[in-house]
Amino acid sequence: QKEVEQNSGPLSVPEGAIASLNCTYSDRGSQSFFWYRQYSGKSPELIMFIYSNGDKEDGRFTAQLNKASQYVSLLIRDSQPSDSATYLCAVRSGGGADGLTFGKGTHLIIQP
Amino acid sequence: GAVVSQHPSWVICKSGTSVKIECRSLDFQATTMFWYRQFPKQSLMLMATSNEGSKATYEQGVEKDKFLINHASLTLSTLTVTSAHPEDSSFYICSAAWGGPDQPQHFGDGTRLSIL
Repeated sequence: QKEVEQNSGPLSVPEGAIASLNCTYSDRGSQSFFWYRQYSGKSPELIMFIYSNGDKEDGRFTAQLNKASQYVSLLIRDSQPSDSATYLCAVRSGGGADGLTFGKGTHLIIQP
Repeated sequence: GAVVSQHPSWVICKSGTSVKIECRSLDFQATTMFWYRQFPKQSLMLMATSNEGSKATYEQGVEKDKFLINHASLTLSTLTVTSAHPEDSSFYICSAAWGGPDQPQHFGDGTRLSIL
């Protein structure tokens, strides 16, 4: 059974600092990796996606992938109070016809 | 702006009622759409994959006769919860990949279903 593991938190980070969110997955054949942000009562919003080993940067966000260790991370630089949310890690095994397997999410709190 | 539209956003109804939820891809054609369910304090769980012009593929443990999925066009998929009961109360969310099948999935705003 495919599993995606995240620390549920809450993870508390001071405003302006770097927030580091981690995720591990069980299916070694996984191909695509996604980070979504979900505010309470809302649907998930795509933050980043990564397909290849290494780092991928987009503005204040950096996704890191290590397939050998089956590990994905998300770094948020210059954290803002508006970044406070639950961050969901999601994994897709195949191509676009496959659904996503989600972790339970990490609750991030940015302290002003 | 949103690339996936979902309607209604909130439904409250009596036990035994059937409820239909619509998911539309805006300005793009989606041969595949996905339906997820999220219970309070839990993560999203894939219920089924909706394929245009063919039968949906259901995940293990999801009753296909209870959760009817129709994907009659390239821009519309519907989920009907038949004879809903209080245990079906949940947040139902659809998604589609915009820009091609290998692109990330974007989610609709979700439908909060409450069965009394």
